This record gives sequence, C-alpha cells and structure tokens, in this order.
Amino acid sequence: GIQVEQSPPDLILQEGANSTLRCNFSDSVNNLQWFHQNPWGQLINLFYIPSGTKQNGRLSATTVATERYSLLYISSSQTTDSGVYFCAVTSGTYKYIFGTGTRLKVLA
Amino acid sequence: NAGVMQNPRHLVRRRGQEARLRCSPMKGHSHVYWYRQLPEEGLKFMVYLQKENIIDESGMPKERFSAEFPKEGPSILRIQQVVRGDSAAYFCASSGGSGGSYEQYFGPGTRLTVT
Repeated sequence: GIQVEQSPPDLILQEGANSTLRCNFSDSVNNLQWFHQNPWGQLINLFYIPSGTKQNGRLSATTVATERYSLLYISSSQTTDSGVYFCAVTSGTYKYIFGTGTRLKVLA
Repeated sequence: NAGVMQNPRHLVRRRGQEARLRCSPMKGHSHVYWYRQLPEEGLKFMVYLQKENIIDESGMPKERFSAEFPKEGPSILRIQQVVRGDSAAYFCASSGGSGGSYEQYFGPGTRLTVT
C-alpha cells in the first residue's frame, strides 16, 4: 500500500519563527489533507489540498502531485501552533492513510 | 453547523466488558469512518460505513469489533470483551462522499482506557 512519510519528526521553534513541514507519498493520490492535532488531542482540518496551493492566514500549503509531495508552511509561529501535524492521503480509495506526523513545539 | 459529535469523550472499562462508542456525523454527511490512534502514533483506518451499509471493514480486527450505522441514530463502534491492548483514542470522521467532497471532518474522539 501507499507509504506516507513526514519530516522532520520533531521541531522546536521560537515564537515568531517560520517553518516548513514536508509530506512525501509513494504513489499517486486523489485526496490529501493536513491536520493539526492539538495538545488536547483534537484533530483540526487545516487544508484539503490534493493539488495546487492554498493559504489560510499564517498557514499555507502546496501539493505537487506529480512529484508526490506536499508542504505545509507556518509563518510567524505562535505557542498555540504547538501539537502534531499530520498529512493524510487516499490513493484510489476513500481510506485516509496517515503519516507519522511532525511534532511541533513553539517556545514563548 | 454542528461538527462531528462523539460520545462518550472518555470511557473506562475493565477487561472483559463491552465498550460502545457513538458518532453523529456532520449535518448533510452520509459517510462515516472510524479510525484508531495508539499513543504516539498516527491514525489507522478501521471501517467505512454509509447508512445501513458497511462499505469497507478491512481495518477492523476480525474478532470482538463491530460497527453499524443505522437508518436512524448515530454510528456505533462496539468492542466486546475488551483487553488492555484496546486502550486507544477512537476517532470518527464524516464526509459528503461520492458526488460530494471526500474531505473528512473528525470528531473529538473517545479515549478508551481498559483497566
């Protein structure tokens, strides 16, 4: 089945810094989502982005489906950005396969 | 517009008891998915249901686990004779499905602890 790898696995930033999170996948995808799991465990939809570029406030995402990767950009990070960021994809089905996540800690 | 609702949020069961987890999809969504998350891991797909139909249960353990999505009422994930290894967070998601978007929206999860 499709493999989803995220990097880096862990990231520590000072408040105000920018970061780029990467998601690589091993096969073509028909759906791709980015989620933020906050420290209370809740999953928050960030982007539905099977291709192209989207922006929402300080966050933006780009998926290059032909090269099998997606990037999540976080600018001017805040302590509330802390948590785990997951990329999830489907490939020919509706079952989302989740990556192992990037654990982000933003220090005040 | 209410999001995906799950209850209970926390559930404690002794080994051998039954656990029932409930999920109400977002308004207008007819597709429900259940995922399990073990500590420090990503979510793993368990089962996909539409009203009164199980579409794909390939991620469900063969024994003790069952799911349903009746014509009326919430979707239920049932775990019989729970064991310590069932301790996990169980998330439900919903989508509009075919003809609509496959973007999935997740509920807050049910954290099951087996003692």
